[in-house]
Amino acid sequence: DAKTTQPTSMDCAEGRAANLPCNHSTISGNEYVYWYRQIHSQGPQYIIHGLKNNETNEMASLIITEDRKSSTLILPHATLRDTAVYYCIVRVGGGNAGNMLTFGGGTRLMVKP
Amino acid sequence: GAVVSQHPSRVICKSGTSVKIECRSLDFQATTMFWYRQFPKQSLMLMATSNEGSKATYEQGVEKDKFLINHASLTLSTLTVTSAHPEDSSFYICSARPSGGPDTQYFGPGTRLTVL
Repeated sequence: DAKTTQPTSMDCAEGRAANLPCNHSTISGNEYVYWYRQIHSQGPQYIIHGLKNNETNEMASLIITEDRKSSTLILPHATLRDTAVYYCIVRVGGGNAGNMLTFGGGTRLMVKP
Repeated sequence: GAVVSQHPSRVICKSGTSVKIECRSLDFQATTMFWYRQFPKQSLMLMATSNEGSKATYEQGVEKDKFLINHASLTLSTLTVTSAHPEDSSFYICSARPSGGPDTQYFGPGTRLTVL
């Protein structure tokens, strides 16, 4: 699976948009970009994933650059409960992908009042 | 939907005892479940992949005789830490991938094991 690079930590003001970047310059054509987050002492929570098109769900938006070498997770209106470690993971997707997830260091997002 | 539970959420045991942790997918079937371990201030590390009805696949460096995995049904996988020692104290997290469903994994809330 392609390696990802994320900033170690970020701060965001409550109510503002949180934009979390992820670099994955060695991504392959069949690899998806997944985002998970882990609130302290809890299991990771799936947020969103995509291949090449931008994706949006009730939690966040995922913007993938045209060359797919980087992406940004956007939390449109961050709340204090969004404080967590956010993991960007790149791996092969598709029907037979009961594949493991390889977690890197992630970005520790601190949402401040 | 897509809820995964773990039991117990927290366990304290004496060195040398065995501890069983259960992972259940509550509203979906999961052919494949995964077990992770997370030490303080570190990221999750995959221990093993558990497949229903077959033997688990362990990651390099994980002792299969120490960490026994049983995936007897499509909704339950168990991890037994045998002869636990203080260095086994960690946060153990399972995940499950829905059978024939979306290509993602849903995680349990984790089990914090403390071995005295």
